[in-house]
Amino acid sequence: DTGVSQDPRHKITKRGQNVTFRCDPISEHNRLYWYRQTLGQGPEFLTYFQNEAQLEKSRLLSDRFSAERPKGSFSTLEIQRTEQGDSAMYLCASTPSGETQYFGPGTRLLVL
Amino acid sequence: GEDVEQSLFLSVREGDSSVINCTYTDSSSTYLYWYKQEPGAGLQLLTYIFSNMDMKQDQRLTVLLNKKDKHLSLRIADTQTGDSAIYFCAESIFGNTGFQKLVFGTGTRLLVSP
Repeated sequence: DTGVSQDPRHKITKRGQNVTFRCDPISEHNRLYWYRQTLGQGPEFLTYFQNEAQLEKSRLLSDRFSAERPKGSFSTLEIQRTEQGDSAMYLCASTPSGETQYFGPGTRLLVL
Repeated sequence: GEDVEQSLFLSVREGDSSVINCTYTDSSSTYLYWYKQEPGAGLQLLTYIFSNMDMKQDQRLTVLLNKKDKHLSLRIADTQTGDSAIYFCAESIFGNTGFQKLVFGTGTRLLVSP
């Protein structure tokens, strides 16, 4: 399968714990996006990478969130001191050119 | 502003056509998209249309774009039970650094009954 992959698919954690998600984009896609989707809503933009450079972050991305793409390939999204409001589906997408974004299956986070 | 609106729910019978509507606000959007999401899954790109087009057909899917009214629709011909899912309309918006991000609607849940 050469699509976007994300790991883990599901994560349950206790409030206050740190979690890290991984996204592997489609090979040679230099642009990578993170979105968050809460129940009953459409995805909302969180952040964007072009190669290893993080070029934009949404206001939704508080100081507890950090994203990296160290070698311009896979990306990680870390949430520190999780809160119940962080419960959501975290989606990763990649694109070679910006016209069409291809999404991964998402990581569903539940914070108890 | 960035706002995409869709009706929440649509119910059709198998074999009928489904029409899902969407309105958007940013007149500078270059591309508009339709994505499909099945329960617990990520988003599957169905089709997209460039803003200088008014129609695009792809097998059972027809996209109509009225740029003047900022209205986008997705017609699914011969709807099947496997088409039951949530359908998201999205517009592309230029971010501060010139990249394109997607702004999604809240999704339309399509239920196809036998």
